Amino acid sequence: EIVLTQSPGTLSLSPGERATLSCRASQSIISTYLAWYQQKPGQAPRLLIYGASSRATGIPDRFSGSGSGTDFTLTISRLEPEDFAVYSCQQYGSSPFTFGPGTKVDIK
Amino acid sequence: QVQLVQSGAEMKNPGASVKVSCKTSGYTFTGYYMHWVRQAPGQGLEWMGWINPNSGDTNYAQRFQGRVTVTRDTSISTVYMDLSSLRSDDTAVYYCARGYFDSLLSSPGYWGQGTLVAVSS
Repeated sequence: EIVLTQSPGTLSLSPGERATLSCRASQSIISTYLAWYQQKPGQAPRLLIYGASSRATGIPDRFSGSGSGTDFTLTISRLEPEDFAVYSCQQYGSSPFTFGPGTKVDIK
Repeated sequence: QVQLVQSGAEMKNPGASVKVSCKTSGYTFTGYYMHWVRQAPGQGLEWMGWINPNSGDTNYAQRFQGRVTVTRDTSISTVYMDLSSLRSDDTAVYYCARGYFDSLLSSPGYWGQGTLVAVSS
């Protein structure tokens, strides 16, 4: 089973700042089958990024993903008020399709 | 548009079973894998398994093997997740989530609203 580790656990930033979130895998992820999700309290997760770097439909271009192998990054170039949420990564290249524990981005 | 509508909240006693439904619309039901993911209170997301609605083939995370069964009814475009021998640590919101693309190796891209299952005596 591939274990995903996310850092930091919490990121405290102000609107307009840049957010850099990390997702590290215990073994190499096949063909960059890595996704990022945003989740707000009481809501279902929302797919942001698939294939490590492709934005899902309707996702603003301030969200970008990068990485390969075992190290992946989600960058939010300029935080908007609606971006404060929990972000989780998931690998879907090998079963079980594991999730990371999440990074909470909160307002400083 | 793609819609996944789940059944309502459930309260169960330890040892009981629960069956959560996920009714779909807005796309070809048999064309996309469906995943089940759960989230315990204050915790992260946990992937449980998938079903291929076309063939009925399933794959489950090892930790749920023997306790979870995912089925589908193609006549009403609905997927079901049955979890047995419930324990208090099964208390969670359970989500169905459709693959973003029509491939097994596709991240879940469309999610149901979630179903709270509370297990308590």
